[in-house]
Amino acid sequence: EVQLVQSGAEVKKPGESLKISCKGSGYSFTNFWIGWVRQMPGKGLEWMGIVYPGDSDSSRYSPSFQGQVTISADESISTAYLQWSSLKASDTAMYYCAVGARRDYFDYWGQGTLVTVSS
Amino acid sequence: SYELTQPPSVSVSPGQTASITCSGDKLGDKYACWYQQKPGQSPVLVIYQDTKRPSGIPERFSGSNSGNTATLTIRGTQAMDEADYYCQAWDSSTGVFGGGTKVTVL
Repeated sequence: EVQLVQSGAEVKKPGESLKISCKGSGYSFTNFWIGWVRQMPGKGLEWMGIVYPGDSDSSRYSPSFQGQVTISADESISTAYLQWSSLKASDTAMYYCAVGARRDYFDYWGQGTLVTVSS
Repeated sequence: SYELTQPPSVSVSPGQTASITCSGDKLGDKYACWYQQKPGQSPVLVIYQDTKRPSGIPERFSGSNSGNTATLTIRGTQAMDEADYYCQAWDSSTGVFGGGTKVTVL
């Protein structure tokens, strides 16, 4: 059974850095694309970016998120990451990781990580 | 950047057919997929590569994609199908979601 387990909820202040994680199990971690999706409170899904574990040159970002976040993966521990260097209040949202056999759709989703940024 | 447009809401009576559209420039030349999201839950893939259903998705869900419009059809809609539905496609090395459609089963 494919499982994606995300790290717990975070409460941060504007300007702080953050790295959230997503650990995959039940499948070959290096054979699936892994991506991140944002959902702001009461809003729709936003595609942020994607990476193919083991190929750092494979990362792709939505223009809206390019330069704002960094997506990475550590195949040795089957874990993907989403990180910010300087959070803003507008980063407050639920963040989902998801994996797909192809990069153009996501077969499985994590449970979500709620990030709250407030002074 | 590429955009996908969905109607904000669709209403359907139990047992009837719901059709949800997703419009984008030459969308029929790309693959479209669809996700279902119920309140407080993570999205679930219900259609991929325009017409394919993942294992475990009921046969009442089907998809099509031609021209500028992809369509998700739910036949024999049940109360449990009430949810938000999102289309997604891939364009210029990035993914994009539609704005979502709330399906209400009256």
